[in-house]
Amino acid sequence: EDQVTQSPEALRLQEGESSSLNCSYTVSGLRGLFWYRQDPGKGPEFLFTLYSAGEEKEKERLKATLTKKESFLHITAPKPEDSATYLCAVQAMLIGGKLIFGQGTELSVKP
Amino acid sequence: NAGVTQTPKFRVLKTGQSMTLLCAQDMNHEYMYWYRQDPGMGLRLIHYSVGEGTTAKGEVPDGYNVSRLKKQNFLLGLESAAPSQTSVYFCASSFGPEAFFGQGTRLTVV
Repeated sequence: EDQVTQSPEALRLQEGESSSLNCSYTVSGLRGLFWYRQDPGKGPEFLFTLYSAGEEKEKERLKATLTKKESFLHITAPKPEDSATYLCAVQAMLIGGKLIFGQGTELSVKP
Repeated sequence: NAGVTQTPKFRVLKTGQSMTLLCAQDMNHEYMYWYRQDPGMGLRLIHYSVGEGTTAKGEVPDGYNVSRLKKQNFLLGLESAAPSQTSVYFCASSFGPEAFFGQGTRLTVV
């Protein structure tokens, strides 16, 4: 069964304190792994797509990496505006493009 | 450019009532999805569509029906609402790897 598990469930950081979020997955043929950001009361917003082990993507203070079993979202010197829930999702080698989501990590960055 | 628009944004239903949630996208995307989001459960796929006139069941389809009569619209119906269907519902559309989400519909069934 395709499954995505994110850890930790919640993470509190001080401004400037770098850390990483984890996304572990099991899927019958990975087509892609996705990271989304979700602010309270809003829909998820696309951040990155990773397709193969060893691939890395960066955007401002965020860097996503991928192995055969997990993905990390590294946050370097975070700012309060980085506070949000970060969602990981996988897409299997099936028609339909449907995404299987993890439960998310709620990140809080205090000034 | 509106992207993905969901109607309504909030709704309170009584148990047994029916309603339809509307999702409209103006990006000419082939794929559309309905998810529900519950605390601690993440986003779970209810139904999806790979093109006009097609629909398929997702992870949690029971109690819901969908229709995709026009490419730009994807309707989610609740025939007889139950308290277990209290949730935030998100519609999404995609053409390539990136999915675009609407702002969500907060539904409460009392």
